[in-house]
Amino acid sequence: QKEVEQDPGPLSVPEGAIVSLNCTYSNSAFQYFMWYRQYSRKGPELLMYTYSSGNKEDGRFTAQVDKSSKYISLFIRDSQPSDSATYLCAMSAGSGGFKTIFGAGTRLFVKA
Amino acid sequence: AAGVIQSPRHLIKEKRETATLKCYPIPRHDTVYWYQQGPGQDPQFLISFYEKMQSDKGSIPDRFSAQQFSDYHSELNMSSLELGDSALYFCASSFAGTSGGRPYNEQFFGPGTRLTVL
Repeated sequence: QKEVEQDPGPLSVPEGAIVSLNCTYSNSAFQYFMWYRQYSRKGPELLMYTYSSGNKEDGRFTAQVDKSSKYISLFIRDSQPSDSATYLCAMSAGSGGFKTIFGAGTRLFVKA
Repeated sequence: AAGVIQSPRHLIKEKRETATLKCYPIPRHDTVYWYQQGPGQDPQFLISFYEKMQSDKGSIPDRFSAQQFSDYHSELNMSSLELGDSALYFCASSFAGTSGGRPYNEQFFGPGTRLTVL
């Protein structure tokens, strides 16, 4: 079993829909949680960063971390065709170079 | 804003050759991470450095080595290249500090080096 599980999709939604992406993990030591967006052949782009549990909102994006359930989510409101990309969750147990584990990535398609 | 710089962007090598990939972190960032991403796969952590010391190690082959220099740039050296080493290699950097008691750990990725081994 992988340390971080993420449904690879693909996930197809109409423009304007609310998108829900999530990851589960098994390592209770993880404290740092990140969501990245990656377009084909490009480097991952950091979208959201959360330390420990709680919610964080930035524009159309909301990240949630539930450490008790080992479950993290990313919500995208008012989805746009430009949001079509692969979304990767990532997490680590510490800063200063701790190994970071990525999920498999979910491919999202937003149809106009 | 300055981003992570990687060079070269593309590299083509023959089997058994060597390759050196370079990474220049965002200014003031003290931590560098190296990742390997195969086609359709998620980035796999290879190795990381904090303040010029190796911090953590992942699935990095013994044929690979890396270091972080005094100016915080990092180099990934790959020897005896194999066909399976063909992949995108990403470098990411972060600042391992705190602000108001909350730690930083956001990793910002470079554009990657596409290595093709023939």
